[in-house]
Amino acid sequence: GAVVSQHPSWVICKSGTSVKIECRSLDFQATTMFWYRQFPKQSLMLMATSNEGSKATYEQGVEKDKFLINHASLTLSTLTVTSAHPEDSSFYICSASRTSGINEQFFGPGTRLTVL
Amino acid sequence: GNSVTQMEGPVTLSEEAFLTINCTYTATGYPSLFWYVQYPGEGLQLLLKATKADDKGSNKGFEATYRKETTSFHLEKGSVQVSDSAVYFCALTTNSGNTPLVFGKGTRLSVIA
Repeated sequence: GAVVSQHPSWVICKSGTSVKIECRSLDFQATTMFWYRQFPKQSLMLMATSNEGSKATYEQGVEKDKFLINHASLTLSTLTVTSAHPEDSSFYICSASRTSGINEQFFGPGTRLTVL
Repeated sequence: GNSVTQMEGPVTLSEEAFLTINCTYTATGYPSLFWYVQYPGEGLQLLLKATKADDKGSNKGFEATYRKETTSFHLEKGSVQVSDSAVYFCALTTNSGNTPLVFGKGTRLSVIA
């Protein structure tokens, strides 16, 4: 149990376009999902915390108008990178926290975004 | 605030060598501690965890003991394999609500045959 999927696993897009990444908890309900960004050979940087039915909480320095997060249900959160630029190229990872029990997060496999 | 410090890599070991990756933390209250592993091109997988002082997490031959007195959670394995080559992240979170994980910078391990 406790499987989190991400789609797509990789995407290449042109500069100026928007890209949507989905994060789904497949076999549990997740009131909270987190979005991280990882640069090559670096640690994960928390971008935002997403709670079902409410606005996401963004970390300092993360542009909320550029990285749109929607958490419409207890099993789905989406991250949309708007007007993508090459510097947005990165590995985006989501995680989901169960509604009950120990505060443990389950990670998706990540989405590699390349902006040309 | 909460923070995690882990030894910088890369670490290169021969197969069957003993592995230690140091991790210390700073936190308010009593955090839960985790080790995650990331294989090339993949997301993070939980390797082991400990939720209170003196707990020992173990999985796949890896162990780590929650040491409150030294605020440490060092990762150890008695005999590494080539397949253990990956990046290892130490992390913590508080038990109050759905708070995000705080990660260390990661330690890259390469095991050579």
